[in-house]
Amino acid sequence: DAGVIQSPRHEVTEMGQEVTLRCKPISGHNSLFWYRQTMMRGLELLIYFNNNVPIDDSGMPEDRFSAKMPNASFSTLKIQPSEPRDSAVYFCASSPAYDGYNEQFFGPGTRLTVL
Amino acid sequence: DAKTTQPPSMDCAEGRAANLPCNHSTISGNEYVYWYRQIHSQGPQYIIHGLKNNETNEMASLIITEDRKSSTLILPHATLRDTAVYYCIVRVPSGNTPLVFGKGTRLSVIA
Repeated sequence: DAGVIQSPRHEVTEMGQEVTLRCKPISGHNSLFWYRQTMMRGLELLIYFNNNVPIDDSGMPEDRFSAKMPNASFSTLKIQPSEPRDSAVYFCASSPAYDGYNEQFFGPGTRLTVL
Repeated sequence: DAKTTQPPSMDCAEGRAANLPCNHSTISGNEYVYWYRQIHSQGPQYIIHGLKNNETNEMASLIITEDRKSSTLILPHATLRDTAVYYCIVRVPSGNTPLVFGKGTRLSVIA
């Protein structure tokens, strides 16, 4: 299995531009999580989905952020318009969504720099 | 907010055991203790978890106190590749609940 796949791995953009981050979860995993990591705030949850349905988006910082999961094998996190304070590493993680399952599998992350 | 407290950093000599402590005094009866680590520039990686008994796998051992208010992750023979940030997390064992990360412990293994 290729694991959780994220693209792009690095993104440099200018303030005001739209940014779309992509994630392909491990096949068969029906929970998907988006996390953000910064030096100031550490690793924090942005939003997560179960069976393609958003369950908790309370971590999404502003209306500029949106996430979708149109099918079980693909999710996007969009920032529009982007701002310099959005610079961070964005991680996607997946796991099977049943009680008793213990491990989340993380992708390699997308390092976003907004100039 | 994270329900755990960890020292911000630790050093360990290569080949020696690394003992990483974690306090979780408010852990609930149905919550487990999980450990993840994050090697520089990579996504976090699961290490081990436990409820109340000691646990061991190919990566590490986990010792949980009888009152479950604290635990210790043990890397028996630390190598340079074990240099990472180690996160202790308490949560219910379910694949559809998120992880709440604290600040973790930055372990430096020194040659």
